[in-house]
Amino acid sequence: QKEVEQNSGPLSVPEGAIASLNCTYSDRGSQSFFWYRQYSGKSPELIMSIYSNGDKEDGRFTAQLNKASQYVSLLIRDSQPSDSATYLCAVLWTGANNLFFGTGTRLTVIP
Amino acid sequence: DAEITQSPRHKITETGRQVTLACHQTWNHNNMFWYRQDLGHGLRLIHYSYGVHDTNKGEVSDGYSVSRSNTEDLPLTLESAASSQTSVYFCASSEQGANVLTFGAGSRLTVL
Repeated sequence: QKEVEQNSGPLSVPEGAIASLNCTYSDRGSQSFFWYRQYSGKSPELIMSIYSNGDKEDGRFTAQLNKASQYVSLLIRDSQPSDSATYLCAVLWTGANNLFFGTGTRLTVIP
Repeated sequence: DAEITQSPRHKITETGRQVTLACHQTWNHNNMFWYRQDLGHGLRLIHYSYGVHDTNKGEVSDGYSVSRSNTEDLPLTLESAASSQTSVYFCASSEQGANVLTFGAGSRLTVL
């Protein structure tokens, strides 16, 4: 059974710290990975996509992918209270055209 | 500006009633999706469409149907609502061949 697993949290970090969000997936052949942010009561919005092993940086966000370990992570540097949200990991399975989502990790940044 | 609109935003209905949730997008996207989001389950795919007259079942399609008569709209119908279908429903769209989803604001459905 194909799965996308995330720690549900909540993960609490102090303002200015690095928040590290992790995701593992079961399909070794998966090629495309996404991180969505969802504020409470709102819809998900894309913040990062990553397709190749290694790191991809966008401002304070860094996505890391390790296909051999079937692991993708999101680092948020200099965390701000406005980063408090649920972060959803999504994976495009091999041969599929649809994204499968993890259950999300709730992040709280404490001022 | 292009957008994706869901209606109604909130609905309360009774068990056994038919319910239709509307989704309208002006992005001119070929791909449209319906997800439901429940605590502990994350987003689960109900149905999806890659173009006019194309519809496909997702992982939790039982009790739901969709039809695609034009590019802009993908209504989701619950033929006979059940309490287990109480959830928040999100419509999403994407360009053909792309996997970046744009979501609507969501519709909260309560089945009593």
